[in-house]
Amino acid sequence: SSELTQDPAVSVTLGQTVRITCQGDTLRRFYASWYQQRPGQAPVLVIYGKNYRPSGIPDRFSGSTSGNATSLTLTGAQAEDEADYYCHSRDSSGNHEVFGGGTKLTVL
Amino acid sequence: EVQLVQSGTEVKKPGESLRISCQGSKYTFSKYWIAWVRQMPGKGLEWMGIIYPGDSKTRYSPSFQGQVTISADKSITTAYLQWSSLKASDTAMYYCARRSVHDDISLLDYWGQGTLVTVSS
Repeated sequence: SSELTQDPAVSVTLGQTVRITCQGDTLRRFYASWYQQRPGQAPVLVIYGKNYRPSGIPDRFSGSTSGNATSLTLTGAQAEDEADYYCHSRDSSGNHEVFGGGTKLTVL
Repeated sequence: EVQLVQSGTEVKKPGESLRISCQGSKYTFSKYWIAWVRQMPGKGLEWMGIIYPGDSKTRYSPSFQGQVTISADKSITTAYLQWSSLKASDTAMYYCARRSVHDDISLLDYWGQGTLVTVSS
């Protein structure tokens, strides 16, 4: 099992706000990054660290961290945001890295 | 823009060997780690390991140590993932990704398109 835990599935109504959470003790020491994976596509980096967004990622994506949890928030979810989302960070050794189990986001 | 281009789909038999590749371009290949990530059918992402092409230093996930070999040839800006004896359980999509570090945050900022490996008798 992964050192990072995510809820397997979350849903949101079109235009509403949703938070996807990743938990793990290592998040007290290391920041995480978040990836979006649409069906049949390679993952895409959407948020990293406290709240950094790569160029080209819409500002409706934001990140936050508190204690042993990090969250990805979508403000005003769009149909194209329906995807799997993964958190990623270092493991307890600090020398290796891990992904969370992934959260399937459904936009209703 | 940074590009990572992976080799094509592979169909192999159990026990066969295989090497897949990931060629980077439009950035200084030797100065960024390359990560390999497995995705089994219908499953999540798994971090396999990383290599620094500048000196070929590697780190493997404990789950993959001894199961695969990661290498790189910086002269042709290419990283490799290799198996000496494939198993059916190696059937998966394999992605390479460029690993960057920003304020001690590890991130995979560019990804290859993936290489599908199918192992079946």
